[in-house]
Amino acid sequence: KAGVTQTPRYLIKTRGQQVTLSCSPISGHRSVSWYQQTPGQGLQFLFEYFSETQRNKGNFPGRFSGRQFSNSRSEMNVSTLELGDSALYLCASSPGLAGDSYNEQFFGPGTRLTVL
Amino acid sequence: AQTVTQSQPEMSVQEAETVTLSCTYDTSENNYYLFWYKQPPSRQMILVIRQEAYKQQNATENRFSVNFQKAAKSFSLKISDSQLGDTAMYFCAFGTSGTYKYIFGTGTRLKVLA
Repeated sequence: KAGVTQTPRYLIKTRGQQVTLSCSPISGHRSVSWYQQTPGQGLQFLFEYFSETQRNKGNFPGRFSGRQFSNSRSEMNVSTLELGDSALYLCASSPGLAGDSYNEQFFGPGTRLTVL
Repeated sequence: AQTVTQSQPEMSVQEAETVTLSCTYDTSENNYYLFWYKQPPSRQMILVIRQEAYKQQNATENRFSVNFQKAAKSFSLKISDSQLGDTAMYFCAFGTSGTYKYIFGTGTRLKVLA
């Protein structure tokens, strides 16, 4: 099976712009989670989507949003970019089913976002 | 709220030696999972080992094993016969059963020396 893919791998934007990142989960996985990784704050959970519905949300401002499509692919959007949004954004997928006994997430390679 | 603490920002070990990375966590949950993930310089996060909290037996995966002390809320990773390819950031993570919202520690940068 192909792993989790994320596009683009690198992105440079300027303050005030918006950006959309894409994540394709492992085939058959229905849960997609997003994490922000920065040197200062480490890895922080943004949100999780399952069957096109947001199931969990972290403590990020409303500028960060996401969605999931019927094929389980997910996008996250950041509006009105700030310098502090520069980070590696990781996507992870899981089967997401009730009774999933492993709770394991499989991570993609990440998108490196730089805000100038 | 759950927290995960990794108190060793950096460690080094000689090739073929054994090293132990520490992780402590805090939670009031009873059903949860603990994970060690590895993030090499190429930055793809890879699962190293997983432990279900309800299992008393420590998990083992080849050269990797954990010492899970539930009462002490401690979850350390032991790497035996260290190899150069083990050089990476290692993250300890906590996940409540039934959710995919992981709480990560700050990581330990491990360098294996030839």
